[in-house]
Amino acid sequence: KAGVTQTPRYLIKTRGQQVTLSCSPISGHRSVSWYQQTPGQGLQFLFEYFSETQRNKGNFPGRFSGRQFSNSRSEMNVSTLELGDSALYLCASSLGPTGYNSPLHFGNGTRLTVT
Amino acid sequence: DQQVKQNSPSLSVQEGRISILNCDYTNSMFDYFLWYKKYPAEGPTFLISISSIKDKNEDGRFTVFLNKSAKHLSLHIVPSQPGDSAVYFCAATSKTSYDKVIFGPGTSLSVIP
Repeated sequence: KAGVTQTPRYLIKTRGQQVTLSCSPISGHRSVSWYQQTPGQGLQFLFEYFSETQRNKGNFPGRFSGRQFSNSRSEMNVSTLELGDSALYLCASSLGPTGYNSPLHFGNGTRLTVT
Repeated sequence: DQQVKQNSPSLSVQEGRISILNCDYTNSMFDYFLWYKKYPAEGPTFLISISSIKDKNEDGRFTVFLNKSAKHLSLHIVPSQPGDSAVYFCAATSKTSYDKVIFGPGTSLSVIP
């Protein structure tokens, strides 16, 4: 069974631009969560989608948005990029709604660098 | 405000000895706890979990202990192996509301051969 696939693996953007990251969950998984990882901060929760609906949202500005398609694939978008948005963005999928009795399975992440 | 804390950013242990990674949480609504392991350039992988109705869960070399009154959990790895060198994340969630999974900042474990 293929794992969670995130594209692209690496991305370099300049301040003010926008970016779209893509995530394909494990087949049959209906929940997709997004996390931002920065040194010393661990994994900060961005949002979670289940059956195309946003179920949970973290404490990030409105520049961060996401969506989920009918095939459970998900995209997240960051507009008006800032230097502080440089991070590893991780997508995770699970069978049911978030984590409980259904551990998150993570992709290898997209490394975003904003210059 | 960090709801899940891992106060040791790093830990070094000799091969064959016990590794103990600690985690504290502040939200009393959390009732399900997980540990993930992360190697460089890879996403975190699920290691072991524990429900708040238990105080211990074992899986091979890995044991997680939960002390609800202290809002503290720990992961024991016995015996430690060089391949265990990775960043370990403690995570917590609330099953009641199928809430989001909150992760701690991680502890980098180095197992010295």
